[in-house]
Amino acid sequence: QVQLVQSGAEVKTPGSSVKVSCTSYGGTFVAYTVSWVRQAPGQGLEWMGGIKPLYGTPTYAHKFQDRVTITADESSDTAYMELSRLTSEDTAVYYCAREWAGDFDHWGQGTLVTVSS
Amino acid sequence: EVVLTQSPGTLSLSPGERATLSCRASERIKNNYVAWYQQKPGQAPRLLIFGGSNRATGIPERFSGSWSGTDFTLTISSLEPEDFAVYYCQEYGASSRTFGQGTKVDIK
Repeated sequence: QVQLVQSGAEVKTPGSSVKVSCTSYGGTFVAYTVSWVRQAPGQGLEWMGGIKPLYGTPTYAHKFQDRVTITADESSDTAYMELSRLTSEDTAVYYCAREWAGDFDHWGQGTLVTVSS
Repeated sequence: EVVLTQSPGTLSLSPGERATLSCRASERIKNNYVAWYQQKPGQAPRLLIFGGSNRATGIPERFSGSWSGTDFTLTISSLEPEDFAVYYCQEYGASSRTFGQGTKVDIK
C-alpha cells in the first residue's frame, strides 16, 4: 500500500523560502511522477509542477516556474518542493501526490505553510 | 492552457437523490483524460474517476463519469450521507495539469 508522508507545518516570513518534503512508502518511487498541488484557505486545487525521479527533470506550471524548484532523492524515496520569494498569497496547504497516468491516485496528508510577518 | 469550468458552484440535494456535476473544457482534451476527485474538510482529495469514465480502486458503483465532446459529467446515482463534499475535475491531456474550481454538494 502506497503512503506519502509529508513534513510538518511551517511558518515563514515574507520574502523567505520554504522547502517541503514528501517520502514515499510501499511503492516504486522512481517509476512514477510526484506532483505538488496547493490549496489556499477556502479555495480550490492548483497544480504547481511534478518530477519523475527516474528521469530527474521536473515540469512546472507557468505561474510558478520562476519561484519553484522540485527535486527528488532516489536513495530516500523523497521528493521536495521549494518555493521562494514567499508572500501572504502563498499561505496554503501544500500536497504531494503520485501520478498514475496523469491523474493523482495517492496523496500526502498535506503541509500547511503560513506566510506572515 | 485548458480552462475547466465546473457547474453549478453549489448543489443542494437530499440523501437518495441523484447528483449531476458538470465540467466544461475550453478545448478538446486528448484521450478524454479527465479525472474527478472528492474532498472533505481537512482531508486530501480522493481520486474517484480517471480517463473520463473509469472508477478508481474501491470507489462505489454509484459514482460514474461520462463525456460528450468537451463536456464531462460526474453522476452520483443516489447520494449517501458520506457523499456530501466538494468535487473537482482535472485534466491531464497535455504536459500541464489543470483543475476546475470545484462543485460543493451540500445537504438540502
